[in-house]
Amino acid sequence: EAGVTQSPTHLIKTRGQQATLRCSPISGHTSVYWYQQALGLGLQFLLWYDEGEERNRGNFPPRFSGRQFPNYSSELNVNALELEDSALYLCASSSYRNSPLHFGNGTRLTVT
Amino acid sequence: AQSVSQHNHHVILSEAASLELGCNYSYGGTVNLFWYVQYPGQHLQLLLKYFSGDPLVKGIKGFEAEFIKSKFSFNLRKPSVQWSDTAEYFCAVSGSSNTGKLIFGQGTTLQVKP
Repeated sequence: EAGVTQSPTHLIKTRGQQATLRCSPISGHTSVYWYQQALGLGLQFLLWYDEGEERNRGNFPPRFSGRQFPNYSSELNVNALELEDSALYLCASSSYRNSPLHFGNGTRLTVT
Repeated sequence: AQSVSQHNHHVILSEAASLELGCNYSYGGTVNLFWYVQYPGQHLQLLLKYFSGDPLVKGIKGFEAEFIKSKFSFNLRKPSVQWSDTAEYFCAVSGSSNTGKLIFGQGTTLQVKP
């Protein structure tokens, strides 16, 4: 089966701009999760979407937002970019609630 | 506070040596526990998971982990490592009530020398 796909692979933005990251889950998976992996901070939970609804969010400011489309793909938007937003953003999907997550390769966001 | 602590940040072993990576968690209530592995240049993959039942869990590639509830631990073991086990290993915990949130440890980099 095709895995979780994320685009773009790399993204370079300047401070204050907006970034949009995309994720396609494994076929049949309805839950999508976003994680931030910043240097020295490990993997931090950002957002969880299930059946098109935001179900939970981590301890991140409102300028981190997203949505899930009817085909279960998802978008993560980061507004008013700050230098500390530079990180690897990982998307994961799962087939049912509480089932193990399957991760994509991530989008490396660099803010200059 | 909910947290996961991995004792070793960087481990170097020779092939055929035994491996044990420590993981302790702080989480109220019933937990689900996971070990993920990230091989160089690849995405995070599930190594094994514990939801309930037998506290000794067997995963892929000869790995196993033991859940010791009294110690809040979920240590990863392998009797004999191979060069191909060189990777970063992450322990993670979630609550049994679904919040969609996995709490990860900081990761342990394992380097196996041939």
